[in-house]
Amino acid sequence: NAGVTQTPKFRILKIGQSMTLQCTQDMNHNYMYWYRQDPGMGLKLIYYSVGAGITDKGEVPNGYNVSRSTTEDFPLRLELAAPSQTSVYFCASGRVNSPLHFGNGTRLTVT
Amino acid sequence: AQKITQTQPGMFVQEKEAVTLDCTYDTSDPSYGLFWYKQPSSGEMIFLIYQGSYDQQNATEGRYSLNFQKARKSANLVISASQLGDSAMYFCAMREGFSGAQKLVFGQGTRLTINP
Repeated sequence: NAGVTQTPKFRILKIGQSMTLQCTQDMNHNYMYWYRQDPGMGLKLIYYSVGAGITDKGEVPNGYNVSRSTTEDFPLRLELAAPSQTSVYFCASGRVNSPLHFGNGTRLTVT
Repeated sequence: AQKITQTQPGMFVQEKEAVTLDCTYDTSDPSYGLFWYKQPSSGEMIFLIYQGSYDQQNATEGRYSLNFQKARKSANLVISASQLGDSAMYFCAMREGFSGAQKLVFGQGTRLTINP
C-alpha cells in the first residue's frame, strides 16, 4: 500500500551541485506532477506528465528537468542548484477527475 | 493576478466549535474544480473535499462541507465540531477545465489552531 514514494526525505546541496529527486507510484496513474512549496506559501506546479514519454512545463519550470520513461517513475532533476531552489518538493499522481495523491515531500536546502 | 485567495493567515478556534475557512477564486473558465487540502505539521498533503463548478449541491464529506457561492466566486470550507487533530494548514486549490492534467493552483493557506 505504498502510494506515492519520494526519496530522499531531506537533502542539503551546495550552490552549483546537481541532484535528482526520485518519485515512484504504484497505483498505475497516468498523470504525475511535481510541485514546490516555499515557506509559508502554497504549492506551485513545476512540471507534469500525462503518461510515459510525455512531459510539460508548469508554472515554475526554470532550473528543473524531468523525464517519464515508465508509468511508475517521474524523477525531477536540478542541474545547477541555487539558493532560490530551497523548498519542499512534492510529487503527486492521479487519474482524470480524481483527487491527487501526494508523496510525503523532499525538503531541500541549497547553501 | 491571484487566482486563489485565502485571506486568513491564521485562525484560532475552541475545540468543538465550528470553523469556516475562506477561499475566493478567479477564473473565466466556466468549467473548474475546487479542492481543499489539509497539511498537518508532519507535512503531508491530505485531500479533504472537492466541488465542481456545475455541481448543484454543496459538497460534504463527514465533518467537512464546502459552502460554494458561485456568483461570489467563493468556496469556503466549513469544519463542524472541531477537534484537536484539525490543527493544521489548510489549502484551497483550483483546476480549470475538467479534462487532461489537474494543474492545480493553490492559495497561500490558513493555519488553523484548535484550542482545548
